[in-house]
Amino acid sequence: GENVEQHPSTLSVQEGDSAVIKCTYSDSASNYFPWYKQELGKRPQLIIDIRSNVGEKKDQRIAVTLNKTAKHFSLHITETQPEDSAVYFCAVREFNKFYFGSGTKLNVKP
Amino acid sequence: DSGVTQTPKHLITATGQRVTLRCSPRSGDLSVYWYQQSLDQGLQFLIQYYNGEERAKGNILERFSAQQFPDLHSELNLSSLELGDSALYFCASNIAGSYLDTQYFGPGTRLTVL
Repeated sequence: GENVEQHPSTLSVQEGDSAVIKCTYSDSASNYFPWYKQELGKRPQLIIDIRSNVGEKKDQRIAVTLNKTAKHFSLHITETQPEDSAVYFCAVREFNKFYFGSGTKLNVKP
Repeated sequence: DSGVTQTPKHLITATGQRVTLRCSPRSGDLSVYWYQQSLDQGLQFLIQYYNGEERAKGNILERFSAQQFPDLHSELNLSSLELGDSALYFCASNIAGSYLDTQYFGPGTRLTVL
């Protein structure tokens, strides 16, 4: 099965700075890559996703980039705000299964 | 609100017992996925059902089983419970008619095994 690695496990930034979280995967057949934000005790919520025929996608302060050759994709959050503090998970879809990274705890300091 | 519902919200039980978790997918979604999230851990895929049939299986223990009913709701049965089964259990749903459909998560059921 797919092997998804996510880094860093924790990330602390000052409000207004940018945050970058990176995931690598192993199966070149994987072709859908969503990112989820999860606040403590709540459900994961989709914040952005990218499909394998696209290299970059942006939605306001959030962007995702995909490098299929290197098998990695990254989440970029610009102008971070305290409400961005949460755990972020990347995921990879291989056929009918979703494999999740181990999560990055983002702390945005006011 | 994602449109996916799960009951109960909380469940406290003892080791050796059996429990059933219930999930209702979004209207129109045919596929249901079950995940386990232990404390401070990531999401572990357990099993997927599509229109009543098992579609994919992940790291699901033999003590656990699931099914999807004709009205498309799904139940996850956990038996011979152990302390280590304490976790948040999420279900997610999507249409699954398209290969790349996004999945939407329910609010989860927090299971505590004492």
